[in-house]
Formats: sequence, structure tokens, C-alpha cells
Amino acid sequence: GIQVEQSPPDLILQEGANSTLRCNFSDSVNNLQWFHQNPWGQLINLFYIPSGTKQNGRLSATTVATERYSLLYISSSQTTDSGVYFCAVEYEVIEGAQKLVFGQGTRLTINP
Amino acid sequence: KAGVTQTPRYLIKTRGQQVTLSCSPISGHRSVSWYQQTPGQGLQFLFEYFSETQRNKGNFPGRFSGRQFSNSRSEMNVSTLELGDSALYLCASSLGPGTWGYEQYFGPGTRLTVT
Repeated sequence: GIQVEQSPPDLILQEGANSTLRCNFSDSVNNLQWFHQNPWGQLINLFYIPSGTKQNGRLSATTVATERYSLLYISSSQTTDSGVYFCAVEYEVIEGAQKLVFGQGTRLTINP
Repeated sequence: KAGVTQTPRYLIKTRGQQVTLSCSPISGHRSVSWYQQTPGQGLQFLFEYFSETQRNKGNFPGRFSGRQFSNSRSEMNVSTLELGDSALYLCASSLGPGTWGYEQYFGPGTRLTVT
């Protein structure tokens, strides 16, 4: 099956710093999403980005599907950005049926 | 528009019991998927339903089952609970079958503890 690897596994930064999170995947995918998991466990949608670049405030993401990776950029980090960030890819298991495969996540800690 | 809702939010069961979890998708969404999250295995796909049909199933034993109703609400059932079933169970909904071209939205989860 497809492999999804996220790096780094842990990242500790001071407030105001910028960060880049990476997601590598081992096969062609139909979709890629980035999520932030809040302390209560809910996955918050950040980006739906099968290819190209998107920006939303201090966050932006780029997916280069041909090279099988995606990057999530967080600028001017705030303590509320702390949490676990997941990359999830969608690929076709059997025709017409697909599932999301998640990476192991990057745990981001922003210190004041 | 209301988000994905899951009930109950927290549940404590003993080994050998069974449990049913419920998920109501976003209005208009017809696909519901279930995921299990544990510290050791991370987030793993359980199954997906669209139009009351199971379209795909992950690598979980037959003790895990689910169904979808005509209003797109879904339930998952775990029979003969084991300690290893303790996990956060997340439900996601999307507009169409599979998630082809459609973003998935997750509910708050049900945290199941098996003692």
C-alpha cells in the first residue's frame, strides 16, 4: 500500500518563528489534505490541495504531485498553532472506492 | 451549516461488551467514513459508506461493522470489545462517493475506553 511520511516528527519553536512541515508519499494520489488536530482530538481542515499552492492567512501549502510531496508553511507562529499536523492522501484502492491514508503527524509546539 | 456530529463523545465499556457509535454527516453529504486513532497505530481507515452501501473496508477484524441509513447517518458497532479497542473513533463526511474530488470533514470523535 501507499506510504505517507511526515517530517519532522516533532518541532519546537518560539512564538513568531516560521516553520515548514513536509509530507512525502510513495505513489500517485488523487487528493491530499492537511489537518490540524486540536487538543480535544478534532481534525480541523487546513487545506485540500492535490496540486499547486494555496494560502490562508499565515498558512500556505504547496503540493508537487509529480515529485510526490507536499509542504505546509506556517509563518509568524502563535501559541495557538501548537498541536499535531497531519497530512492525508487519497488513493484508489479498488475502482471507485478510495480512502484517506494518514501520515504519523508532526507535533508542533510553539513556546511564548 | 452544522458540522459532522458524533455521539456519544465519551464512552467507557468493559471487555466483552459491545458498543455502537453514531455519526451524522453534514447536511447534503452522502458519504461517511470511519477512522480509528490510537497512539501506537495512528489514524487508520475502518470503512466507508455511500448510499447505504459499504464501498471500502480497512484491515480490521469482523468485530468491527457499520451501516448507513437512508438519511446518510451512520453507525459503527464493535462487538466483543478488547482492551486494544480503546481509541478515538473519528467519522468524516464528504459530498460524493469515496472522496474523489471532495474534501472530507471530520467530526469531534468518540473516545472509547475499554477496561
